Amino acid sequence: NAGVTQTPKFRILKIGQSMTLQCTQDMNHNYMYWYRQDPGMGLKLIYYSVGAGITDKGEVPNGYNVSRSTTEDFPLRLELAAPSQTSVYFCASSYSQYNEQFFGPGTRLTVL
Amino acid sequence: TQLLEQSPQFLSIQEGENLTVYCNSSSVFSSLQWYRQEPGEGPVLLVTVVTGGEVKKLKRLTFQFGDARKDSSLHITAAQPGDTGLYLCTTGTYKYIFGTGTRLKVLA
Repeated sequence: NAGVTQTPKFRILKIGQSMTLQCTQDMNHNYMYWYRQDPGMGLKLIYYSVGAGITDKGEVPNGYNVSRSTTEDFPLRLELAAPSQTSVYFCASSYSQYNEQFFGPGTRLTVL
Repeated sequence: TQLLEQSPQFLSIQEGENLTVYCNSSSVFSSLQWYRQEPGEGPVLLVTVVTGGEVKKLKRLTFQFGDARKDSSLHITAAQPGDTGLYLCTTGTYKYIFGTGTRLKVLA
């Protein structure tokens, strides 16, 4: 049982480049989330989804986009990468909004 | 916007000592969860508290939810090196807010 998987594990981008962070869960969870974690800090919600085709902004959505075409996948798109987007990105999923969130191992992104 | 303050930010103790970390908010929590995050990994759920005054125990960890549901504490008895990590509190219903965390280091 893989749980939540994220790719890539590490990535270095140049300013202005774009990329997609992949997230897949195999637990048939409806709710999925993207967070970023800056050094020594807690997590900040970027976007979340309550089911396929439904997404909404979190606390820090600027500079990011998401889509949810299937229950399993919730990719995060960075357009025009900026140094302020250097962070560790975590994807998570849960059965409902009241249940435990299961987190992926994270993607460490550096923008130079 | 609800803010979660955690204290202390850092804690370094010797194995066998006891400790308490806190999570406070200016607003009432609907429910509160505590997670532990180890270096290089995602957070893992420790407990969910829902009812004001609730106390939950998980082996050497004791979680309390304040009567007014605006604060919570995590007490660790006889800390062990395996307890080392970042302890995070969070609240919300799908629009989750996380505290900045308490980074605990337990020295052998």
